[in-house]
Amino acid sequence: DAKTTQPPSMDCAEGRAANLPCNHSTISGNEYVYWYRQIHSQGPQYIIHGLKNNETNEMASLIITEDRKSSTLILPHATLRDTAVYYCIVGPYGGATNKLIFGTGTLLAVQP
Amino acid sequence: GAGVSQSPSNKVTEKGKDVELRCDPISGHTALYWYRQRLGQGLEFLIYFQGNSAPDKSGLPSDRFSAERTGESVSTLTIQRTQQEDSAVYLCASSKDGYEKLFFGSGTQLSVL
Repeated sequence: DAKTTQPPSMDCAEGRAANLPCNHSTISGNEYVYWYRQIHSQGPQYIIHGLKNNETNEMASLIITEDRKSSTLILPHATLRDTAVYYCIVGPYGGATNKLIFGTGTLLAVQP
Repeated sequence: GAGVSQSPSNKVTEKGKDVELRCDPISGHTALYWYRQRLGQGLEFLIYFQGNSAPDKSGLPSDRFSAERTGESVSTLTIQRTQQEDSAVYLCASSKDGYEKLFFGSGTQLSVL
């Protein structure tokens, strides 16, 4: 079973920031938060991951609360090409347990 | 290659037939994963290969499903005596060493009639 809770869908206006929430209240100390996205008819694409500190890369920012029970993925300037299903996943860092159980995610629709 | 390659991209088969799905991981990636995605649902882990270690088969749904990998290269997922509930997209992913991010292929859409 997925260990995360995400809203099933969200809308965002093109050019605005998209803030995608994720609850992971049962996260354990050695588990990371990963975000992937899946554009229609493609395989998932890695976005970002983090343990407890906020992270930023060329695609997005990840904000993790101090108690680590929730996080937010931020796409600073959403474009139409960012329309996709966004998956928030928690799991240990790699190895045989890196099975990354994907739930149903959040369908982000970027509107022109 | 440049990315994870899967073939065929689409496969239509009749109930009861066997099918083989192929995955070519990124060169040099030691870890390889198979997932299944039913229509409108999330990804379901099937099997994991890491180097020469015994594969983690804990996600295979029945003994009709099997997978092999030759060294650190190509993997094949075999489904015997296919059933209609096997209809799904089968996704393959690889990672550099099992600790790095996953790179996914575009999947094989399997339709069992």
